[in-house]
Amino acid sequence: GQNIDQPTEMTATEGAIVQINCTYQTSGFNGLFWYQQHAGEAPTFLSYNVLDGLEEKGRFSSFLSRSKGYSYLLLKELQMKDSASYLCAPMDSNYQLIWGAGTKLIIKP
Amino acid sequence: TAGITQAPTSQILAAGRSMTLRCTQDMRHNAMYWYRQDLGLGLRLIHYSNTAGTTGKGEVPDGYSVSRANTDDFPLTLASAVPSQTSVYFCASSDSSGVGEQFFGPGTRLTVL
Repeated sequence: GQNIDQPTEMTATEGAIVQINCTYQTSGFNGLFWYQQHAGEAPTFLSYNVLDGLEEKGRFSSFLSRSKGYSYLLLKELQMKDSASYLCAPMDSNYQLIWGAGTKLIIKP
Repeated sequence: TAGITQAPTSQILAAGRSMTLRCTQDMRHNAMYWYRQDLGLGLRLIHYSNTAGTTGKGEVPDGYSVSRANTDDFPLTLASAVPSQTSVYFCASSDSSGVGEQFFGPGTRLTVL
């Protein structure tokens, strides 16, 4: 079956760095997306990885290891506005996104 | 550019009643999707459409129907609502049915009593 595993909740301090891990099992693989979702709002796109390695985009970076079925999202210089849920979503062989339940990130001053 | 709009924003519906959730995008995207999001669960795909005139079933299609008469609109209909359909519904679109980020509408919060 298809399965996504990411921590339910994480807490970090403003200005620090946090890494949100995601492991996945899918039927086929066509890349992995990370989305951010603030409470009461729609998800918004953060990153896409299809090849192994690190993709850096400003304060956010995303890493993928296809052989390990593993990805992480790295957030640097945390700001209060980064308090949100972060959704890991690999794409299966049918090009459908399989969504994790998300990691709620709480930023403390 | 509006992107994707959904209507209504929220709705309380009596069980057994029918309802159509509206979704319109102005990005000329080929692919559109309907998801439901429930607390503690990931987004679950209800129905999708890779292009105008075609639709497909997602993970949780029972109790829902869709149509795709043109590129811009993708309405979701609940023929006879049940309390388990209480959820937040998101419509999304992408510029291809393959790899491409999905853009989401603001969502419709539906409560079925």
